[in-house]
Amino acid sequence: EDKVVQSPLSLVVHEGDTVTLNCSYEVTNFRSLLWYKQEKKAPTFLFMLTSSGIEKKSGRLSSILDKKELFSILNITATQTGDSAIYLCAVSGRTNAGKSTFGDGTTLTVKP
Amino acid sequence: NAGVTQTPKFRVLKTGQSMTLLCAQDMNHEYMYWYRQDPGMGLRLIHYSVGEGTTAKGEVPDGYNVSRLKKQNFLLGLESAAPSQTSVYFCASRQWTNSLSPLHFGNGTRLTVT
Repeated sequence: EDKVVQSPLSLVVHEGDTVTLNCSYEVTNFRSLLWYKQEKKAPTFLFMLTSSGIEKKSGRLSSILDKKELFSILNITATQTGDSAIYLCAVSGRTNAGKSTFGDGTTLTVKP
Repeated sequence: NAGVTQTPKFRVLKTGQSMTLLCAQDMNHEYMYWYRQDPGMGLRLIHYSVGEGTTAKGEVPDGYNVSRLKKQNFLLGLESAAPSQTSVYFCASRQWTNSLSPLHFGNGTRLTVT
């Protein structure tokens, strides 16, 4: 059974801080790991990682995957109040009909 | 550019009542999924479909049924609602040929069972 563990479960920081969110996983025949951001409603896609050691970046957000150690991190630099959200990590295997297994999420609160 | 649309947005049921949640997508995606999200528990897969006319059980299927009579629609049914089914339900879809593609989510249905 596929498994995803995210840490920390919650985090409170001040604007301008840098945060690192962690995601460790177990999946049969790894295909991809995705990060989503969830504010009030639907999760929205941030990054997809398939290869180890290659950093994905979008503005102040970046993510990297370590397939040997089975984890990924999501970094957010110079945090803003708009970064407050639940960050979800999900993994998919090659043989599971496109299903994604999600972690419990990290709730990030950025205070002014 | 609707994407994934869920109806209704909110619903309150009494124990034992039934209801159907509707999910519609206009992206011609083959794969569709129903998840539930409870506080502190992330998203858990209820049922999914890999194409029109097909359905399969996910991680937490008990108490739910689904149907995919048309490619664009995926219905989730609760035959006899229980308080444990109080949750936020999300429908999602993705391209079938590539599990690398991200999930596209609807805005969710908040269900309360009293």
